[in-house]
Amino acid sequence: AQSVTQPDIHITVSEGASLELRCNYSYGATPYLFWYVQSPGQGLQLLLKYFSGDTLVQGIKGFEAEFKRSQSSFNLRKPSVHWSDAAEYFCAVAFGNEKLTFGTGTRLTIIP
Amino acid sequence: GAVVSQHPSRVICKSGTSVKIECRSLDFQATTMFWYRQFPKKSLMLMATSNEGSKATYEQGVEKDKFLINHASLTLSTLTVTSAHPEDSSFYICSAKTSGSAYEQYFGPGTRLTVT
Repeated sequence: AQSVTQPDIHITVSEGASLELRCNYSYGATPYLFWYVQSPGQGLQLLLKYFSGDTLVQGIKGFEAEFKRSQSSFNLRKPSVHWSDAAEYFCAVAFGNEKLTFGTGTRLTIIP
Repeated sequence: GAVVSQHPSRVICKSGTSVKIECRSLDFQATTMFWYRQFPKKSLMLMATSNEGSKATYEQGVEKDKFLINHASLTLSTLTVTSAHPEDSSFYICSAKTSGSAYEQYFGPGTRLTVT
C-alpha cells in the first residue's frame, strides 16, 4: 500500500543549530512530494515541493529538501533554525492523482 | 494571494445537533476543495473531495450522510456534521485548489469542533 512515514514524532534542536526532518514513502513510482508547516491558528503552509528535475529543492524560510530515489526519501533541512521555526511539519505525497497523503508529522521544538 | 478562510475557528455543540463549517477561497476561484480531519498528534486524513457544482466524493469509511459537503460556488464549500456525537470532536481542515495548480492545495486554518 502507498504510505508516507515520518519516523520522528518530536525533535528538539537549539536555536542556530542545523535541522533535518526525515520523510520516507512507499510507492512503485516517484510521487509528487511536499513539505508543509503547521503553526497554531494558521493553515498548513507549503514550504517546498518536488515534481521532477533537480533533486535538491529550495523552499521558503530557508528550507531545502533532497529527493533520493534510491532511499525513497525526501528529507527536509535547514542549516540554522530560528525560534520561529517551532511548529509541526508534515511531509505529503501525491501518488498520481490530486489527493495528498500526509505523514504523521514531526513536532519541532527550539530551545534557546 | 491564495488565502483560504474557515468559519468558525472553533465551535462547541451539543450531542445530536448539527453544525456547519464554511470554507472560503478569498482571492481565487477554487474548482476543487478538500476536507480533512486531523486527530490529536495524528496526520490529516482526507474525508472528501468536492468539485464546484458536483457531488462530493467521499473517502472509504467516511459517512456521507453524516458529513454533508456542499460546494455551491467557486469560492465556498461547506461541511455539515449532522447529528454530532462526541466522537466527531476533531479538528477539521479544508483546502482548495484551482484548475491550473496541479497538486498544490491552499489550506484553511482549521475548525476545532467539540461535541459535548
